[in-house]
Amino acid sequence: AQSVTQLDSQVPVFEEAPVELRCNYSSSVSVYLFWYVQYPNQGLQLLLKYLSGSTLVKGINGFEAEFNKSQTSFHLRKPSVHISDTAEYFCAVTSGYSSASKIIFGSGTRLSIRP
Amino acid sequence: NAGVTQTPKFQVLKTGQSMTLQCAQDMNHNSMYWYRQDPGMGLRLIYYSASEGTTDKGEVPNGYNVSRLNKREFSLRLESAAPSQTSVYFCASRGLAHNEQFFGPGTRLTVL
Repeated sequence: AQSVTQLDSQVPVFEEAPVELRCNYSSSVSVYLFWYVQYPNQGLQLLLKYLSGSTLVKGINGFEAEFNKSQTSFHLRKPSVHISDTAEYFCAVTSGYSSASKIIFGSGTRLSIRP
Repeated sequence: NAGVTQTPKFQVLKTGQSMTLQCAQDMNHNSMYWYRQDPGMGLRLIYYSASEGTTDKGEVPNGYNVSRLNKREFSLRLESAAPSQTSVYFCASRGLAHNEQFFGPGTRLTVL
């Protein structure tokens, strides 16, 4: 069975500082990985995804993530955060490309930016 | 394109009342999903529909029923609401060509 662990429930950082949100997954088969962002009182929107190819994936708003198969990790990074990045971030995994396969979400990491 | 739409946005129910949450997508996606989001627990899958005419239980199906009315619409019904069903409910859809899910804006439900 697949699972996703987001190691930090909350991450406070200062504006313009770098940030890393950690995500580890477990799966016995090939995986596809996602990061979603949820701004206050909104639904989730896709930040980036890894399906295959280059292990460094670039997303919207200056975020990037690196797929590390040996460490079963998919950590999200941004070199310099802004107040507008305040949101909750969810890591997700699926093992199937078809729409019938389920996507499993982590419990979320709340990123708070201090001025 | 409206994407995924949900109605209502907010709802307050008394224990034992019933209601249906509506979801529609205009992206011609095959699969649709219902999740609930509770603080510190992320998103938990209630039911999903891999294609029109099929539905399957997710992680937390008890107390809920679903109907895949057609390819566009997927509704979630609470037959007898309980305070434990107070949550934010999200509908999502997913196509064959794109692996990610697209989410609606959510319904905030309070059961008193």
